[in-house]
Amino acid sequence: DAGVTQSPTHLIKTRGQQVTLRCSPKSGHDTVSWYQQALGQGPQFIFQYYEEEERQRGNFPDRFSGHQFPNYSSELNVNALLLGDSALYLCASSLGGGTVGSPLHFGNGTRLTVT
Amino acid sequence: GEDVEQSLFLSVREGDSSVINCTYTDSSSTYLYWYKQEPGAGLQLLTYIFSNMDMKQDQRLTVLLNKKDKHLSLRIADTQTGDSAIYFCAENRAAGNKLTFGGGTRVLVKP
Repeated sequence: DAGVTQSPTHLIKTRGQQVTLRCSPKSGHDTVSWYQQALGQGPQFIFQYYEEEERQRGNFPDRFSGHQFPNYSSELNVNALLLGDSALYLCASSLGGGTVGSPLHFGNGTRLTVT
Repeated sequence: GEDVEQSLFLSVREGDSSVINCTYTDSSSTYLYWYKQEPGAGLQLLTYIFSNMDMKQDQRLTVLLNKKDKHLSLRIADTQTGDSAIYFCAENRAAGNKLTFGGGTRVLVKP
């Protein structure tokens, strides 16, 4: 039973560039959420995708966008990268959209470094 | 700042019990979670508790919830060196399946 997989594991980009991160949810899950974890802090919610639509969004600018595909996998796109976007980006999958209580299962993350 | 508060660091001897504490702010939170993060890894779901429960036990893990004080704790019995990690508590507020995390407690287990 495959868990949540993310790619790539590490990425180095330059300020102003754009980046795409990818996530495949745990088998049987249909909802994908993205979190940003800055060094030494807890994860912060970016947004959640269910039925190929953004359902909820945290306090992140429009430079952060996403997509969910019919097979439930998802992408996170960040445009016009800033140094402050350097972080571990975590993907989490769950079942049933915004169903409260469906535990989130996390991948190992993508470490993004912006220079 | 964080809506969910945790102490930064806990040191414990191997074989002793560890207790990690957490306070949250939203009394409407329905589920509360504990996650473990090892170096360079993602978050591993350890356990979770529904807000109408006071206690949940799962092998070496015991979760205690005091709703009146908005206080959550995780007790690890017979702590092992493999338990060294950062532990995050998180609350799942009523609207949608979105988690708000604390800043994490780094647990160091000494042999």
